[in-house]
Amino acid sequence: AQSVAQPEDQVNVAEGNPLTVKCTYSVSGNPYLFWYVQYPNRGLQFLLKYITGDNLVKGSYGFEAEFNKSQTSFHLKKPSALVSDSALYFCAVRDTANTGFQKLVFGTGTRLLVSP
Amino acid sequence: DSGVTQTPKHLITATGQRVTLRCSPRSGDLSVYWYQQSLDQGLQFLIHYYNGEERAKGNILERFSAQQFPDLHSELNLSSLELGDSALYFCASSDLTGRETQYFGPGTRLLVL
Repeated sequence: AQSVAQPEDQVNVAEGNPLTVKCTYSVSGNPYLFWYVQYPNRGLQFLLKYITGDNLVKGSYGFEAEFNKSQTSFHLKKPSALVSDSALYFCAVRDTANTGFQKLVFGTGTRLLVSP
Repeated sequence: DSGVTQTPKHLITATGQRVTLRCSPRSGDLSVYWYQQSLDQGLQFLIHYYNGEERAKGNILERFSAQQFPDLHSELNLSSLELGDSALYFCASSDLTGRETQYFGPGTRLLVL
């Protein structure tokens, strides 16, 4: 069965510093990987995805993520954090081995807190 | 704005009651997914409909049911509600190209008292 791990409940970073939010996954086939962000009392907003091709994926709001197959990781990064980036971040995976089953499996979420 | 709409935004009800949550997918999307977000279970997949047909079930209780109508909107019916059903319920939609992104609605926050 597919699974996602986000090992950090919270990440603290100062504004202007680079940030990394970690994600590792487990699937039986090739993964489709996604990052979503959730602001308070809001829905999930899509940030970026990896399907195939270049291991470095660029997304919305200056975020990027690097797919590493050997380490089964898909860490979210941003070169310079903003206070407005403070939110809850979810990594999700879809296992392409299950072609008829489109569900996303989500990690437990990582709260990012960017201090001024 | 993802283009996915959900109503109502908030719902407060009592144990034993039945409620219906509504979702309208993005224009052109044939797939609708329902997820439940709770503090203890996190984000859990409930059910997937494609063009009116049920395609997959996840951790959905027998007290819960869903359907997708010819105009592609979907409804999630929750019955015999229990305190533990209090959660945020999300609807997402996508096309079905195999590489699709699921776009999420703002959610319905259900509180069972």
